[in-house]
Parts: sequence; structure tokens; C-alpha cells
Amino acid sequence: RKEVEQDPGPFNVPEGATVAFNCTYSNSASQSFFWYRQDCRKEPKLLMSVYSSGNEDGRFTAQLNRASQYISLLIRDSKLSDSATYLCVVNLNTGNQFYFGTGTSLTVIP
Amino acid sequence: GAGVSQSPSNKVTEKGKDVELRCDPISGHTALYWYRQSLGQGLEFLIYFQGNSAPDKSGLPSDRFSAERTGGSVSTLTIQRTQQEDSAVYLCASSSKSGTAYEQYFGPGTRLTVT
Repeated sequence: RKEVEQDPGPFNVPEGATVAFNCTYSNSASQSFFWYRQDCRKEPKLLMSVYSSGNEDGRFTAQLNRASQYISLLIRDSKLSDSATYLCVVNLNTGNQFYFGTGTSLTVIP
Repeated sequence: GAGVSQSPSNKVTEKGKDVELRCDPISGHTALYWYRQSLGQGLEFLIYFQGNSAPDKSGLPSDRFSAERTGGSVSTLTIQRTQQEDSAVYLCASSSKSGTAYEQYFGPGTRLTVT
């Protein structure tokens, strides 16, 4: 079983739509959670860390459900510039063990 | 401030040649990671350095791959006798602890093509 699993998509949504991605992780000892964004032929960039209480950054909301071992990312009012692959990442807080999902592809359509 | 830098950005080499890829982490970051990403695939962990501790080499795919980190800063990933299946983007990341969590920051990668 993979450490982190994501629906690969693709998600094709119109501008202005709300879209949500989920990600599940297998190791209950995971302590830190992140969403990264990766544009085509670019490196992953940290979008946001995910805190236990949930957190929001502008149009982006991340939530963590430890009991069910999943994290989510909600994007409101989608922009064309949101088109990218979104990577779910978990860490055991030991520094070295980062586990990456294979990513969910989002295309926002005009 | 300056981010993670990698060089070269692109490298084309012939099968059987050795290559060296370089990574300059963010100043002050004690942890450094190498990953590779094949076209359309996820990230594959290769090796991890943390301070002066022995590196975690568990992700290196074969003994043709090695890496070192000198002075706790710059790292070099070496691939000997390159094969076509080594073609990929090699990404370096460094991390620091933000609160209770480690946050990784990636360099732009080296795109390696083995012909």
C-alpha cells in the first residue's frame, strides 16, 4: 500500500468554480502535512502546511482529519493560474521521511 | 532570500559516461534531499543528509549512484556509467524546521538526458 494516495484526476473546472482534492495517508504516526503545487516542467513549490485545526490562505483551505487519515485542499473561485498538479505530502517529523503523493492534475478552463 | 540552486540546469550525456549534479541548499538549512522525477511520474526519494549524521541512502537505485555533502552545505550527486533509464529530472531540496514541522524547499532541478 502506498504511503500517500491521491486521485490523479484530471480535474477540469471552469473559472470561478470551487474544487476539492483529497489525499489519504497510511502511517498513523505522520505528524506534518503539506500541499505543494507543481507547474509543468517546474519544481514543486510549497503551497501551504496543513494544521490540525485546519487553515486558510486566501482562496485556499486545507483540512486534516487524523481519525480517517486524510487531508483535503479546497480552492474557491478558481483562476486560470491555479492550473497545476497538486501534491499531497506527509512527514513523520523525523526530517527525512517525506512521502509524496503522485499528484492531482487541475486545469481551470476559461 | 536565495533559494535552493542546482547546476547544471540541463545535462545531456552519452550512455556509459559519469555525471555530477550539484546542489546549493538554502543557507542555514541542515537537511538536504535528493529526488528524481521521471516524465509524468511522482517524486522518487534518493538520499537524505542531516547535519553531520550518516546519510540515509535507502532510496539510491543502484551502486552507480552516490552523493556527498561537503561542509554541511553543498551536495553533489554522482551517477557513474549512466544508463538511458537514468534520464529524469533530479531535484534537490533543503529543509528547516518551522515550528514543529519540517518544510522542504526545492531547487529548479537538473534535467538529465542519457543518449
